[in-house]
Amino acid sequence: DTGVSQDPRHKITKRGQNVTFRCDPISEHNRLYWYRQTLGQGPEFLTYFQNEAQLEKSRLLSDRFSAERPKGSFSTLEIQRTEQGDSAMYLCASSFKRGGLGDTGELFFGEGSRLTVL
Amino acid sequence: AQSVTQLGSHVSVSEGALVLLRCNYSSSVPPYLFWYVQYPNQGLQLLLKYTSAATLVKGINGFEAEFKKSETSFHLTKPSAHMSDAAEYFCAVSPRGSARQLTFGSGTQLTVLP
Repeated sequence: DTGVSQDPRHKITKRGQNVTFRCDPISEHNRLYWYRQTLGQGPEFLTYFQNEAQLEKSRLLSDRFSAERPKGSFSTLEIQRTEQGDSAMYLCASSFKRGGLGDTGELFFGEGSRLTVL
Repeated sequence: AQSVTQLGSHVSVSEGALVLLRCNYSSSVPPYLFWYVQYPNQGLQLLLKYTSAATLVKGINGFEAEFKKSETSFHLTKPSAHMSDAAEYFCAVSPRGSARQLTFGSGTQLTVLP
């Protein structure tokens, strides 16, 4: 078990460019989450997947944001036409939910992808 | 609806002193409560969690927290601070059985003075 990995760790881009982040969850975890964290704040929920299905999206996730988890394993988060306000740390987390049961609420986080939009 | 309030965005303690980080929650249903720690340029690591078993929860690195329903609190403590404890600490709440609704507080930066 290598934990949750995210790539790239840092990304600097110019306003208007598109960026994509990748997350590889813990292999047996069926749930995957994306959070955004800005300086001095706690993580804010963006979206989550159970297997390949995207089950919930936050109002924070504007139309410029899209997330996929095509085979129920890794996930990508794409931001189109980046704006300076998109500068943040994007955190991925995973968890395991057994069918018919609630989960423990415990998330396992990656180290994050820091985005800087100039 | 649920929320978490962390009192004090910055806390400084001397090495060897008691660490007390405060967290109050609001939840319309019985909650699960968590403390996570974040070291610089790293992701969040779970310190401990309360999921309706014992109200006094022990976590990693000597930390513990007590769930007090009457006070809607879940304060984090450690008897003796170590330099390596310097980090940012986040309290979080979720409805039971629902990690997807995890809500974080704004964090408390802990500084440990030599």
